[in-house]
Amino acid sequence: DTAVSQTPKYLVTQMGNDKSIKCEQNLGHDTMYWYKQDSKKFLKIMFSYNNKELIINETVPNRFSPKSPDKAHLNLHINSLELGDSAVYFCASSQGPGSYEQYFGPGTRLTVT
Amino acid sequence: GNSVTQMEGPVTLSEEAFLTINCTYTATGYPSLFWYVQYPGEGLQLLLKATKADDKGSNKGFEATYRKETTSFHLEKGSVQVSDSAVYFCALEGSGGSNYKLTFGKGTLLTVNP
Repeated sequence: DTAVSQTPKYLVTQMGNDKSIKCEQNLGHDTMYWYKQDSKKFLKIMFSYNNKELIINETVPNRFSPKSPDKAHLNLHINSLELGDSAVYFCASSQGPGSYEQYFGPGTRLTVT
Repeated sequence: GNSVTQMEGPVTLSEEAFLTINCTYTATGYPSLFWYVQYPGEGLQLLLKATKADDKGSNKGFEATYRKETTSFHLEKGSVQVSDSAVYFCALEGSGGSNYKLTFGKGTLLTVNP
């Protein structure tokens, strides 16, 4: 059983389109995260939800909107995609916020052409 | 703000060589420190962690000691294997308040040759 799963694994789309990435965890965790990893492997947090409440919202363009319908799911919707949005997006989860191990999904490679 | 600096890669070693990947940090208070590993095509996995000064984290032959006096958390392994080839990330999590986020270093690519 996959602990943290993401769909799709690969996403190729054109500039200006709107797309969503879905994340699900079956670990019973309360906290979920979205990270962006650029082409140089640099990893930066974007958002975090705890019990469906947004607790971390980094400086991210408002074209990015996370949505957490329940504790097990955290989706990422991106409007008006730009070339610079091309990256690998990782979802993660942890028991709670604060020094708990984070479990990462396999990533979604987004390519904007 | 919090920041993590780790040695630039790539690092290329022969099997059974000694590994050190340096990591230093800047943070207020008493952060928790982590090493994560990313194998090719996969997400990150926690390798080890330390939550207070002088703690030593260890796993799979890797070790790192939380040194508050030098603000460092260097990763070491006495004898690397080909299967250790991966990208290694040093990270910290701030203490208290709303600091519930991991700040990562830029990652160090390790390649171990047979």
